[in-house]
Formats: sequence, C-alpha cells, structure tokens
Amino acid sequence: EIVLTQSPGTLSLSPGERATLSCRASQSVSNSYVVWYQQKRGQAPRLLIYGASSRATGIPDRFSGGGSGTDFTLTISRLEPEDFAVYHCQHYGPSPPKTFGQGTKVEFK
Amino acid sequence: QVQLQESGPGLVKPSQTLSLSCTVSGDSIRGADDYWNWVRQQPGKGLEWIGSIYHTGTTYYNPSLKTRATISIDTSKTQFSLKLTSVTAADTAVYYCAREVMITFGGVLDIYYGLDVWGQGTTVVVSS
Repeated sequence: EIVLTQSPGTLSLSPGERATLSCRASQSVSNSYVVWYQQKRGQAPRLLIYGASSRATGIPDRFSGGGSGTDFTLTISRLEPEDFAVYHCQHYGPSPPKTFGQGTKVEFK
Repeated sequence: QVQLQESGPGLVKPSQTLSLSCTVSGDSIRGADDYWNWVRQQPGKGLEWIGSIYHTGTTYYNPSLKTRATISIDTSKTQFSLKLTSVTAADTAVYYCAREVMITFGGVLDIYYGLDVWGQGTTVVVSS
C-alpha cells in the first residue's frame, strides 16, 4: 500500500506570500495519478490539480503542481485570502485504488 | 452541470448499519468514464476513501473497510448507495459522495482526472 505523507502539517503565511506544500509517497508513483484538492472549512473538497501538474477547470494559474517519483509539490504563487484552506494530495493506484495524504492546513500568520 | 446530493440518517446506533444514498443530477450515471465514490472525513482528520462503483455494478473497496462496506447503484434512479455494517463511534464522520473521471484508451487508463465533483457531505454520528 502506498502511503502519502504531507508536510508541513500547518503552514502559517500572509496574503501575497508564496506557499509550497509537499506530498511524499512511500514508493515511486506515476505523475499521471497524483491529484491535489482544496478544502475550505465546512465545505467539500475541490479538485485543483490532476496528473501532478495540470490545473482543473476554473483553477487560477497561481496554483501549480509539480514533482515526480516520490516527491510532489503544490505551489500557490501569491496567496489570496480565499486560498487559506486545507490541501489534500491523493494517489490513484492498484491497491487500494485511492489513498489520501493527511492534509496541510494553510493558515493566516 | 452535474450535481451530487447525499441523503440518509444523521444518527446511527452502535452495531447497526449506516445507509446513505447519493443522487446524481445533471449527468448520466452511465457515463463510460465515470466512477462513483464514497469518501469520509472523521472529525479533525483527513479524507478516507471508502469505495467506488461503476455503472455496470463493478465495485472497488478500501481493504480496511471491505468487510463492512457495500456500494450499490440504481441507474434508473440515478442513485448510488453505501451500507456500512456494525458501526462504532469510529465511523462518526462527514460522508461525501463524489464522481471520479478516468479516461481509458484501448482498455488502458489514459488520463486520470481525480474526483472532480463532490456532494456537500452529510454528517453521520454513531451514538446510542
């Protein structure tokens, strides 16, 4: 089973700053199957990035994804007030078919 | 525009069966690229995938819940459902249904889009 570990657990930043979130897989995985979601308080998750680096429909270009092998990143180039939320990475694999990281909270500094 | 809506009891007694439904509107539940998922989030924790179903009835489960979870689909009602047996307090969570899109080509997965549409979630508390 592939385990996804996200770091840091909490990121304290100010609007306008750059956020870099990490998602590390316990073994090498295909870029094609790495996905990122944003979840605001009290809301369902929202798809941000698929295929490690492709933005989903309607996602602003300040969000970007990258990485390969075991290390993947989500970068928010300049934080907007609405970006303070929890971010989850997810992998699609053979067994179990889907695993999530534990999440990274981006909070106001 | 596809929308998903969960429904079901908000309170379940320990040892009983949790039953939830998800109604799909604005899209066919028979989409060739679509898989229908259940995901839960225990209080203060991350997301946990429970399982998924294809319109043909083929199911996939998280091994940790496989013995207790059953997912079914009713294409005539554009609904899919989750049953979780022998619940305990640890099953208290927000339960989400979600559409997953996987594009295949020649029987091989070509593009994995992830879970692109989610229901708003429904809170289920397990308590006597």
